[in-house]
Amino acid sequence: ETGVTQSPTHLIKTRGQQVTLRCSSQSGHNTVSWYQQALGQGPQFIFQYYREEENGRGNFPPRFSGLQFPNYSSELNVNALELDDSALYLCASSLSPEVVDTEAFFGQGTRLTVV
Amino acid sequence: AQSVTQPDIHITVSEGASLELRCNYSYGATPYLFWYVQSPGQGLQLLLKYFSGDTLVQGIKGFEAEFKRSQSSFNLRKPSVHWSDAAEYFCAVVTTSGTYKYIFGTGTRLKVLA
Repeated sequence: ETGVTQSPTHLIKTRGQQVTLRCSSQSGHNTVSWYQQALGQGPQFIFQYYREEENGRGNFPPRFSGLQFPNYSSELNVNALELDDSALYLCASSLSPEVVDTEAFFGQGTRLTVV
Repeated sequence: AQSVTQPDIHITVSEGASLELRCNYSYGATPYLFWYVQSPGQGLQLLLKYFSGDTLVQGIKGFEAEFKRSQSSFNLRKPSVHWSDAAEYFCAVVTTSGTYKYIFGTGTRLKVLA
């Protein structure tokens, strides 16, 4: 148990649709990062939010966007879904943006399938 | 560019046998290294981490890892594998320039034979 929960656990969407994935961080964790894990691959960094502002972004297009709320919850939104967006999406929460100082705790992930 | 390589996609060992999972990294500065385990349908669980100091790091579930700067390696070991260790294992390095983020290897899937 990491204290980080994600919803839903599984989701099926049609190409072109939009999807919102949710993450509830540990209380007091003001930093959340999102990762995409395609089948057979390691997780890839999408972006990080710190105190409700985007704090860095990986190599993902603008149709991937996020929100972070004061109650330690956050969202990952993906517009215009493509088949290649099918993956496990993981969120990770930590006390500080400086991951090296504090451990990041991962949720169990949301499995998104785009058909 | 920073990267992590896990050369073995799949490894099969018998229960009770020893285990070593390989990890090589490419990083210009002092690396901050992690090993995570992922069971089917689960998120990532931290096994151990190396920031500095003693190059032999002890983790949970009887795992240990050794940092070897000369070989750019951070291999994970366990003296005696249990059937419950069957899972996928990821090595990661944290980048400290710009946004701190994990760069993961592609993982090694461990199968344990009874």
